[in-house]
Formats: sequence, structure tokens, C-alpha cells
Amino acid sequence: DSGVTQTPKHLITATGQRVTLRCSPRSGDLSVYWYQQSLDQGLQFLIQYYNGEERAKGNILERFSAQQFPDLHSELNLSSLELGDSALYFCASSPYLAGATFEQYFGPGTRLTVT
Amino acid sequence: QQQVKQSPQSLIVQKGGISIINCAYENTAFDYFPWYQQFPGKGPALLIAIRPDVSEKKEGRFTISFNKSAKQFSLHIMDSQPGDSATYFCAASKETSGSRLTFGEGTQLTVNP
Repeated sequence: DSGVTQTPKHLITATGQRVTLRCSPRSGDLSVYWYQQSLDQGLQFLIQYYNGEERAKGNILERFSAQQFPDLHSELNLSSLELGDSALYFCASSPYLAGATFEQYFGPGTRLTVT
Repeated sequence: QQQVKQSPQSLIVQKGGISIINCAYENTAFDYFPWYQQFPGKGPALLIAIRPDVSEKKEGRFTISFNKSAKQFSLHIMDSQPGDSATYFCAASKETSGSRLTFGEGTQLTVNP
């Protein structure tokens, strides 16, 4: 158990809908990362938050957005869903401090199916 | 642009054998190279990691070999066990990009009893 929790575990929704994925980082970790895992794209970085602020952005679609709250949990919002958004979405956390690289620990993921 | 290339895509090893997975990277600014193990339906689990100031790191049956000049690193699993059957991902990151991980394509390892 990595200490990172994600809810829900599974999500089935229709095209055009909006969903919210939730992540709670390990105790003490200030940085949260979101990754998407699909069969054709592999594991891809989406976005990073550090202590409530957006720190880095990857190939995240404009239909997707995220935020990190004062209690450090994070939410990934996916809107106008398309069939191609079906994937596993992982959250990872790390202590992260500027000037150093720390280990990232992954949650169990949310499996999103868009029908 | 795929910045981390991983091979082989799949690997079958007999119990007790050595499993070797290779990765090559392009960006010389990468400063951290972890390996993750993923079982079906689970999140990637950090296995072992190395920084470019050392050429080898060993933890139990798992060893990372790192060749900075060739921009390559590899994972060796000694005395491979059926319980090691999983998908392995190499990755790389650099602090200047917020330490986001760039992953290889993954290797599906099967260890036969």
C-alpha cells in the first residue's frame, strides 16, 4: 500500500458527460501528479500541483482540469468526455522540493470507461 | 517525441534465471531514473531508482546498471520468480520540469515455474 488513495475505483459514464476523480496524497507529501495510462499511449504525465499551485503541465487536454485543495487532496475534472478518454488515471505524490527530485508513489488508479 | 525507449516489449524467463530490461534516453538533463513494477489492476509500484552519479545500484535481487555516456540504463532481476511476473516500466525525470516522470513503453515479464 503506497499510502496514496484514489476514488472512485471504477467509473462508467457516457460521452459528453463530466466526471471528477479524487486523490489523497501520502501524509506529508506536498506534490501531486496525475498520469493517464492507455493501451496506445502508455503512461503519460498530465499535470502536477505543489502545495496548491500548478507546477507543471504535460499533454493535458483543454477539456481536462485539476486543482489541489488546502488539505492537499487533488481532483481531476474531465469534461465533454469522448470514447478515447477511456483509460486508467493515476495519481502519484511525492515530497518534492525545488532543487531536488524525490520518489513518486502511485495510487491504485481510477478506471474510466466512456460508453 | 518518445524520450525514453524500452526493450524488449515482452520477456519470458525460466524460474531462477536472470531477467534483463533495457532503456535508453535522449535528454541529458534527466537526473533521476526509477523503475516501476505494475501488476494487473494495480498502480505502478516503485521498485528501485538511480541517479546519474553512480553506475550501479543493487537492492536485493534487483540491480540497476547505468551508463551515462551511452544514455542507457537497465534493470536486472536475479533468480527470477513466478511472483515477479508483471509489467515493468523504466522512467526518467528532471527537477527543472517539476520532476514529472517520462515513462518507457513497458515490458511484460513472464517467469515460468
